[in-house]
Amino acid sequence: AIRMTQSPSSLSASTGDRVTITCRASQGISNYLAWYQQKPGKAPNLLIYAASTLQSGVPSRFSGSGSGTDFTLTISCLQSEDFATYYCQQYYIYPRTFGQGTKVEIK
Amino acid sequence: EVQLVESGGGLVQPGGSLRLACAAVGFTVNSNYMGWVRRAPGKGLEWVSVIYSDGTTYYADSVTGRFTISRDNSKNTLYLQMNSLTTDDRAVYYCARDLVLAAGGIHVAAFDIWGQGTMVTVSS
Repeated sequence: AIRMTQSPSSLSASTGDRVTITCRASQGISNYLAWYQQKPGKAPNLLIYAASTLQSGVPSRFSGSGSGTDFTLTISCLQSEDFATYYCQQYYIYPRTFGQGTKVEIK
Repeated sequence: EVQLVESGGGLVQPGGSLRLACAAVGFTVNSNYMGWVRRAPGKGLEWVSVIYSDGTTYYADSVTGRFTISRDNSKNTLYLQMNSLTTDDRAVYYCARDLVLAAGGIHVAAFDIWGQGTMVTVSS
């Protein structure tokens, strides 16, 4: 199975900050990558697919980039509602696999 | 409104079985790609299984041979039959629907609609 490794595992930031989360695949996955946001007690929410395409309804402060093995999720101006855990997921090959998650906390 | 409503979670003994159900509202299960994801306490998301509109199924290595994904078209419901449960299967289980782009009907193997989750506890 393809292993997805996110970094950092957690980070502290303030509202208004620019935040970048990275995700590395153990083998090339082209652009078959999605990013999700999950808040406590809630289901995950799809933010980005195809590495850089914003899902409908997702604010434009979220952006994704990368191809092959290295990907990034950027939040350009962190808002209070963005404090959550973020996951990358590859869908290049089965089984689909998630990264271990990055928790974004309030500084 | 498009939504997924799960049921069937609960407490089961190790080695036991449980069937989760996921009723779809606002769309038909059998014409979509549907799946399950779980999150164990204190852990991250783990992809479990998916069923395609043509009936093709895929499973995570950790559940292969023990879990079976299926659907009942007449009830517009997705199921996950879980057998030989262990304490490692304790988690919140989410059903979800894969994204299909309105333009061109392109299937994207990322989940855009999720249920609220149902808790499965495996304990003696």
